[in-house]
Amino acid sequence: GAGVSQTPSNKVTEKGKYVELRCDPISGHTALYWYRQSLGQGPEFLIYFQGTGAADDSGLPNDRFFAVRPEGSVSTLKIQRTERGDSAVYLCASSSGRASDTQYFGPGTRLTVL
Amino acid sequence: GENVEQHPSTLSVQEGDSAVIKCTYSDSASNYFPWYKQELGKGPQLIIDIRSNVGEKKDQRIAVTLNKTAKHFSLHITETQPEDSAVYFCAASSVGDKIIFGKGTRLHILP
Repeated sequence: GAGVSQTPSNKVTEKGKYVELRCDPISGHTALYWYRQSLGQGPEFLIYFQGTGAADDSGLPNDRFFAVRPEGSVSTLKIQRTERGDSAVYLCASSSGRASDTQYFGPGTRLTVL
Repeated sequence: GENVEQHPSTLSVQEGDSAVIKCTYSDSASNYFPWYKQELGKGPQLIIDIRSNVGEKKDQRIAVTLNKTAKHFSLHITETQPEDSAVYFCAASSVGDKIIFGKGTRLHILP
Protein backbone atom coordinates (compact mmCIF):
# COMPACT_ATOMS: atom_id res chain seq x y z
CA GLY A 1 0.00 0.00 0.00
CA ALA A 2 0.98 3.67 -0.23
CA GLY A 3 3.45 4.97 2.29
CA VAL A 4 3.74 8.39 3.88
CA SER A 5 3.91 11.13 1.28
CA GLN A 6 5.14 14.69 1.67
CA THR A 7 4.79 17.71 -0.57
CA PRO A 8 6.59 19.58 -1.89
CA SER A 9 9.78 17.54 -2.08
CA ASN A 10 11.79 20.75 -2.27
CA LYS A 11 10.92 24.29 -1.23
CA VAL A 12 13.10 27.35 -1.70
CA THR A 13 11.96 30.55 -0.06
CA GLU A 14 13.30 33.90 0.99
CA LYS A 15 14.01 34.98 4.54
CA GLY A 16 10.88 36.37 6.14
CA LYS A 17 8.41 34.46 3.99
CA TYR A 18 5.72 32.02 5.15
CA VAL A 19 5.79 28.35 4.12
CA GLU A 20 3.50 25.36 4.47
CA LEU A 21 4.66 21.76 4.28
CA ARG A 22 2.16 18.96 3.81
CA CYS A 23 2.14 15.36 5.06
CA ASP A 24 -0.20 12.56 3.97
CA PRO A 25 0.12 9.68 6.44
CA ILE A 26 -0.52 6.02 5.76
CA SER A 27 -4.26 5.47 5.51
CA GLY A 28 -5.77 4.59 8.86
CA HIS A 29 -2.79 5.73 10.93
CA THR A 30 -3.97 7.83 13.84
CA ALA A 31 -0.57 9.01 15.06
CA LEU A 32 1.47 11.52 13.08
CA TYR A 33 4.88 12.97 13.89
CA TRP A 34 6.98 15.80 12.49
CA TYR A 35 10.78 15.78 12.73
CA ARG A 36 13.47 18.11 11.43
CA GLN A 37 16.81 16.85 10.13
CA SER A 38 19.77 19.17 9.68
CA LEU A 39 22.71 18.16 7.51
CA GLY A 40 24.77 15.40 9.08
CA GLN A 41 22.43 15.01 12.04
CA GLY A 42 19.71 12.63 13.13
CA PRO A 43 16.07 13.67 12.94
CA GLU A 44 14.87 15.85 15.83
CA PHE A 45 11.32 15.66 17.13
CA LEU A 46 9.03 18.66 16.58
CA ILE A 47 5.41 17.66 17.27
CA TYR A 48 3.17 14.60 17.63
CA PHE A 49 -0.56 14.29 16.83
CA GLN A 50 -2.90 11.63 18.06
CA GLY A 51 -5.95 12.09 15.89
CA THR A 52 -6.68 15.79 15.47
CA GLY A 53 -5.00 16.99 18.63
CA ALA A 54 -1.36 17.78 19.30
CA ALA A 55 -0.38 15.33 22.04
CA ASP A 56 3.15 16.70 22.39
CA ASP A 57 4.50 19.90 20.81
CA SER A 58 7.55 20.20 23.04
CA GLY A 59 9.96 20.04 20.09
CA LEU A 60 8.69 23.12 18.25
CA PRO A 61 11.62 25.57 18.46
CA ASN A 62 9.57 28.77 18.81
CA ASP A 63 6.19 30.31 18.07
CA ARG A 64 7.00 30.76 14.37
CA PHE A 65 6.32 27.05 13.97
CA PHE A 66 2.80 25.66 14.04
CA ALA A 67 1.17 22.45 12.82
CA VAL A 68 -2.40 21.36 12.28
CA ARG A 69 -4.25 18.15 11.53
CA PRO A 70 -7.89 19.27 11.32
CA GLU A 71 -9.47 16.00 10.16
CA GLY A 72 -7.09 13.55 11.76
CA SER A 73 -5.39 12.61 8.51
CA VAL A 74 -3.37 15.14 6.48
CA SER A 75 -1.15 17.47 8.48
CA THR A 76 0.38 20.81 7.58
CA LEU A 77 3.49 22.26 9.20
CA LYS A 78 3.49 26.04 8.99
CA ILE A 79 6.52 28.27 9.43
CA GLN A 80 6.14 32.03 9.68
CA ARG A 81 8.85 34.65 9.07
CA THR A 82 11.32 32.01 7.93
CA GLU A 83 14.97 32.35 8.90
CA ARG A 84 18.08 30.89 7.27
CA GLY A 85 18.48 28.61 10.28
CA ASP A 86 15.17 26.95 9.41
CA SER A 87 16.81 25.33 6.38
CA ALA A 88 16.62 21.56 6.87
CA VAL A 89 14.77 18.46 5.75
CA TYR A 90 11.37 18.22 7.42
CA LEU A 91 10.28 14.63 7.90
CA CYS A 92 6.84 13.28 8.68
CA ALA A 93 6.12 9.86 10.15
CA SER A 94 2.95 8.00 10.98
CA SER A 95 2.01 5.01 13.05
CA SER A 96 -1.16 3.10 13.75
CA GLY A 97 -1.33 4.63 17.21
CA ARG A 98 -1.49 1.27 18.91
CA ALA A 99 0.85 0.92 21.85
CA SER A 100 3.29 -1.36 20.07
CA ASP A 101 3.50 0.23 16.65
CA THR A 102 6.35 1.40 14.45
CA GLN A 103 6.77 4.87 12.96
CA TYR A 104 7.03 4.95 9.17
CA PHE A 105 8.74 7.93 7.60
CA GLY A 106 8.03 9.88 4.44
CA PRO A 107 10.74 11.10 2.05
CA GLY A 108 10.84 14.57 3.59
CA THR A 109 10.63 18.14 2.33
CA ARG A 110 13.94 19.91 1.84
CA LEU A 111 13.43 23.53 2.87
CA THR A 112 16.01 26.11 1.83
CA VAL A 113 15.71 29.66 3.15
CA LEU A 114 17.80 32.14 1.20
CA GLY B 1 15.06 13.96 28.67
CA GLU B 2 16.44 11.08 26.66
CA ASN B 3 19.89 11.35 25.05
CA VAL B 4 21.23 8.82 22.54
CA GLU B 5 24.92 8.58 21.72
CA GLN B 6 26.07 6.64 18.65
CA HIS B 7 29.52 5.42 17.57
CA PRO B 8 31.32 5.43 15.26
CA SER B 9 30.26 8.36 13.10
CA THR B 10 31.87 6.74 10.06
CA LEU B 11 32.64 3.08 9.42
CA SER B 12 34.32 1.45 6.43
CA VAL B 13 34.33 -2.32 6.05
CA GLN B 14 35.33 -4.70 3.28
CA GLU B 15 32.48 -6.32 1.43
CA GLY B 16 31.65 -9.60 3.11
CA ASP B 17 32.95 -8.52 6.52
CA SER B 18 30.78 -7.58 9.51
CA ALA B 19 29.86 -4.11 10.70
CA VAL B 20 28.99 -3.15 14.27
CA ILE B 21 27.42 0.11 15.41
CA LYS B 22 27.04 0.88 19.11
CA CYS B 23 24.68 3.18 20.96
CA THR B 24 23.97 4.22 24.53
CA TYR B 25 20.90 5.86 25.98
CA SER B 26 20.26 7.78 29.17
CA ASP B 27 16.59 7.37 30.11
CA SER B 28 15.86 4.10 31.88
CA ALA B 29 12.17 4.56 31.00
CA SER B 30 12.90 4.00 27.29
CA ASN B 31 11.63 0.61 26.22
CA TYR B 32 11.70 0.63 22.42
CA PHE B 33 14.86 0.79 20.30
CA PRO B 34 14.45 1.03 16.52
CA TRP B 35 17.22 1.16 13.95
CA TYR B 36 16.75 3.12 10.75
CA LYS B 37 18.66 3.11 7.46
CA GLN B 38 18.70 6.31 5.43
CA GLU B 39 19.84 6.52 1.83
CA LEU B 40 20.67 9.79 0.12
CA GLY B 41 17.58 11.89 -0.53
CA LYS B 42 15.22 9.48 1.22
CA GLY B 43 13.50 9.28 4.55
CA PRO B 44 14.66 6.87 7.26
CA GLN B 45 13.53 3.26 6.79
CA LEU B 46 13.09 0.93 9.74
CA ILE B 47 15.34 -2.09 9.39
CA ILE B 48 14.91 -3.73 12.78
CA ASP B 49 13.70 -2.88 16.26
CA ILE B 50 13.94 -4.36 19.72
CA ARG B 51 11.83 -3.93 22.82
CA SER B 52 13.12 -3.88 26.35
CA ASN B 53 11.80 -7.31 27.28
CA VAL B 54 14.15 -8.92 24.73
CA GLY B 55 17.95 -9.09 24.81
CA GLU B 56 18.61 -9.99 21.20
CA LYS B 57 16.77 -10.10 17.88
CA LYS B 58 17.91 -11.32 14.48
CA ASP B 59 16.56 -10.87 10.95
CA GLN B 60 18.67 -12.55 8.28
CA ARG B 61 22.01 -10.65 8.17
CA ILE B 62 20.98 -8.08 10.76
CA ALA B 63 20.95 -8.52 14.53
CA VAL B 64 20.45 -6.18 17.45
CA THR B 65 21.43 -6.67 21.07
CA LEU B 66 20.22 -4.76 24.10
CA ASN B 67 21.79 -4.50 27.55
CA LYS B 68 19.26 -2.66 29.71
CA THR B 69 21.47 -2.62 32.77
CA ALA B 70 24.26 -0.83 30.95
CA LYS B 71 21.88 1.10 28.69
CA HIS B 72 23.75 -0.14 25.61
CA PHE B 73 22.40 -1.47 22.34
CA SER B 74 24.15 -2.50 19.14
CA LEU B 75 23.49 -3.28 15.50
CA HIS B 76 25.39 -6.07 13.79
CA ILE B 77 25.39 -6.55 10.02
CA THR B 78 27.06 -9.71 8.75
CA GLU B 79 28.23 -10.57 5.22
CA THR B 80 28.01 -6.93 4.21
CA GLN B 81 27.01 -6.07 0.65
CA PRO B 82 27.39 -2.89 -1.43
CA GLU B 83 23.72 -2.05 -0.93
CA ASP B 84 24.32 -1.85 2.82
CA SER B 85 26.15 1.46 2.25
CA ALA B 86 24.00 4.16 3.86
CA VAL B 87 23.61 6.17 7.06
CA TYR B 88 22.29 4.18 10.01
CA PHE B 89 20.53 5.71 13.00
CA CYS B 90 19.88 4.16 16.36
CA ALA B 91 17.05 5.55 18.41
CA ALA B 92 15.26 5.20 21.72
CA SER B 93 11.68 5.77 22.69
CA SER B 94 8.82 4.76 24.86
CA VAL B 95 6.44 2.87 22.58
CA GLY B 96 4.05 5.26 20.87
CA ASP B 97 6.09 8.27 21.93
CA LYS B 98 8.51 10.51 20.08
CA ILE B 99 11.75 8.90 18.91
CA ILE B 100 15.11 10.29 20.03
CA PHE B 101 17.75 9.59 17.39
CA GLY B 102 21.50 9.24 17.55
CA LYS B 103 23.61 11.33 15.20
CA GLY B 104 24.07 8.52 12.70
CA THR B 105 26.82 6.28 11.34
CA ARG B 106 27.85 6.55 7.74
CA LEU B 107 28.64 2.99 6.62
CA HIS B 108 30.85 2.48 3.55
CA ILE B 109 31.15 -1.02 2.07
CA LEU B 110 34.46 -1.28 0.24
CA PRO B 111 34.74 -3.52 -2.85
